[in-house]
Amino acid sequence: DEQLLESGGGLVQPGGSLRLSCEASGFTFSNSAMNWVRLAPGKGLEWVSTISGSDYSTYYADSVRGRFTISRDNSKNTLILQMNNLRADDTAIYYCVRHWGFEFWGQGTQVTVSS
Amino acid sequence: GMTQSPLSLSVTPGQPASFSCRSSQSLVSSDGVTYLSWFHQRPGQSPRRLIYQISNRDSGVPDRFSGSGSGSEFTLTISRVEAEDVGVYYCLQALPWPKTFGQGTKLEIK
Repeated sequence: DEQLLESGGGLVQPGGSLRLSCEASGFTFSNSAMNWVRLAPGKGLEWVSTISGSDYSTYYADSVRGRFTISRDNSKNTLILQMNNLRADDTAIYYCVRHWGFEFWGQGTQVTVSS
Repeated sequence: GMTQSPLSLSVTPGQPASFSCRSSQSLVSSDGVTYLSWFHQRPGQSPRRLIYQISNRDSGVPDRFSGSGSGSEFTLTISRVEAEDVGVYYCLQALPWPKTFGQGTKLEIK
């Protein structure tokens, strides 16, 4: 069965950094575009970033561009989100999602930015 | 952007429910496909995709769910609501960039 397992969330102070990981299994990871989507408290879903499976093209929401970096290691079936200069409004559950069309979602990892 | 309405809905089991999603621009891509999807998120769970490209149901999605629309106006319909349908429903514009969700419609079961 297909699985996406996120890790790396936690509590961090404003201005700090976190590195989220998503370990994939049950499908051909290298062929799949991968995404990060977040859900902030009291808000709706927000697309954060996408990386293609083939040429590693990357795409970012304006709210995170310049602070977050998406990457992947196809040899380890792992998706990464490096988050720098974190702000309080980055507090959210971060989901790892497979495919351009958001076909399959992981369970999410909680990120809390607070002093 | 994407505008959903209503923001909340309360429906009796067995009755229909309808969710609207409007885009500020046509979502028809250069390849002729409209990349409009619908998602359902139950409380405490991850979102699940229900419908893609306006009207195609994902595997395992009950046929009481249907999607319709074109251009910039879209609708998700549940023909007969069941208790398990509780949660928030989101539409998504997957193209053009940036990918944009609607603000969500919360469905309550009476």
